Amino acid sequence: EIVLTQSPATLSLSPGERATLSCRASQSVSSYLAWYQQKPGQAPRLLIYDASNRATGIPARFSGSGSGTDFTLTISSLEPEDFAVYYCLQRSTFWTFGQGTKVEIK
Amino acid sequence: QVQLVQSGADVKKPGASVKVSCKASGYTFTGYYMHWVRQAPGQGLEWMGWINPNSGDSNYAQKFQGRVTMTRDTSISTAFMELSGLRSDDTAVYYCARLEMTTKFDPWGQGTLVIVSS
Repeated sequence: EIVLTQSPATLSLSPGERATLSCRASQSVSSYLAWYQQKPGQAPRLLIYDASNRATGIPARFSGSGSGTDFTLTISSLEPEDFAVYYCLQRSTFWTFGQGTKVEIK
Repeated sequence: QVQLVQSGADVKKPGASVKVSCKASGYTFTGYYMHWVRQAPGQGLEWMGWINPNSGDSNYAQKFQGRVTMTRDTSISTAFMELSGLRSDDTAVYYCARLEMTTKFDPWGQGTLVIVSS
């Protein structure tokens, strides 16, 4: 089973700052990695799929990069609504999620 | 619009089974795999498995094999997830999500809270 490790566990930033979230896979997942945002009491929301493709309606301040085992989600300038938990997801034989990164207001 | 609507919250006793439904609308139900994901209180997301609504084929995460059964009823565009032998650590919100492609789960159902308690 492929394990995804997200870092950091918590990111404390102010609105307007840049956020850089990391997701590392225990073995190559090619480009089969996605990023999801989840706010309290809500279902996850797709942000980025297949490493770098923004989902429909997702603002351009969200971008994804990487391939193989190392992936990054970048939020170029944090808006108040971006403070949430972010999960990466990989698809190989099965699907697995990372443990999440909480982006909180500093 | 494409939408998944799940059944309401449920409370079960340890050892019982629970069956959660996920009704699809706005797209061809048999055209996309349906996945199930759960989230224990305050914890992360855990992938459980998928069902192919067209064929009925399913595949489950190793952790749930032997306890989970995913089925569908194409006449009502609804997928089901049944979990048996419930334990307190099965208390979670259970989500269905349509797999549009590779890693693209969209949309998600609103979630169904299942509480396991004596």
